[in-house]
This record gives sequence, structure tokens and C-alpha cells, in this order.
Amino acid sequence: DGGITQSPKYLFRKEGQNVTLSCEQNLNHDAMYWYRQDPGQGLRLIYYSQIVNDFQKGDIAEGYSVSREKKESFPLTVTSAQKNPTAFYLCASTPGGIPSTDTQYFGPGTRLTVL
Amino acid sequence: QQPVQSPQAVILREGEDAVINCSSSKALYSVHWYRQKHGEAPVFLMILLKGGEQKGHEKISASFNEKKQQSSLYLTASQLSYSGTYFCGTEGLSNDYKLSFGAGTTVTVRA
Repeated sequence: DGGITQSPKYLFRKEGQNVTLSCEQNLNHDAMYWYRQDPGQGLRLIYYSQIVNDFQKGDIAEGYSVSREKKESFPLTVTSAQKNPTAFYLCASTPGGIPSTDTQYFGPGTRLTVL
Repeated sequence: QQPVQSPQAVILREGEDAVINCSSSKALYSVHWYRQKHGEAPVFLMILLKGGEQKGHEKISASFNEKKQQSSLYLTASQLSYSGTYFCGTEGLSNDYKLSFGAGTTVTVRA
């Protein structure tokens, strides 16, 4: 079955540590996105990538980094510079690079808790 | 800039109707609607495009007023399965290839 896989589902980290969240898709989609979700605030865009080896900052990129070395993979690193990283992280993809006419397909999410 | 959704929450009995609104401060090219069940990923419902084209769900309808920069989602004859949080996502005319999402409207449908 085609889809988006995020791992792990739950992640705990100590303050000051970097952590990498995995996102893999086998839909052959060009564009991939990372969102952060906090209670009552909806989805906020962290980074997005329309093609391999290229990505752009979203609205809240500070304290995060990404890479897009392969079409199917878009890992997100939450660095120690992110002041309040506890949140639900969602990865998404679209067939083309234009969300206007494309459905965004979401992964199941990773819930990160900083202890 | 994130669009504003209203109301924040609504409680319905099965069979009742509801309207969820999404307003933006900037001119829009498209509006997307998603529904999210607790602890799950958002699921696509509808895309509305500038010019009137609409793609999406069979039983949930929506409108897009380009001049007012607003969209409304209509839940008609609600079912228990309609419960969840509804988000609108908007893309501006600059076509910057990203969506801005509202804070969500939580819908609870009771038997």
C-alpha cells in the first residue's frame, strides 16, 4: 500500500539534545512538508521541499533543519536551539509542487516530548 | 498569515446542519479543507480554487467567496462520523507553494 510513514510515533528527548524525525513516502510525490501542531493552534509550516536537494523555510523554521537527498525521504531534525519543541509533528506530501490543486497526504505523525 | 476560523467549536445532534467559516486577510488562490480525528493525521475533504473549480467530498459542500477572501464548509444532515476538528488551509495569489492553516473548528456530533 502506498502512503507516508513517520517514525517513531512517540519520542522522548532530554533538553539540549538533537533528535531526528523520520518521514518516508512511497507515493512518488515530488513535494514534501513538515508541520508542527500545538493545541488550539492548527498546523504551522516548518519546512517544505518541492524537489530533491532543495527546500525552503516555512513560517517557524528556527531551531529545525531538514535534508532532501532522496525523493522519498524528508527527515526533520529538532535541534537544541528550538526552545519549545514538545508538539505533534506531521509530515505531508503532494504529487506535484503546487498545493493549490493537489491534495496533501499526511503521515500519522510523531509526538515529541521534551523531558 | 494564518486564516481565522469560526466558530472554535460546535456541538450537533445527528441530522443537524452546521457551517464553518474561514477568513483570510490576503487574496487567495485556493482554499483546502481537512478533517482530523483525535490523535490521527488530517484527511483531505475539499479544494476550492479561484475561479470556482471545486474538488472533493460527496457529502460535504463548501463555497469560496474570492472577493471577501472567505470560504465556508457546510455539514449537512450530520452523522456521528463527522465529529473531528476541521481545518482550512489557504494559498495566497503569490503562489508560494505552501498552505497556511487555521486553528481549527472542533465538531462534536451526538446521537
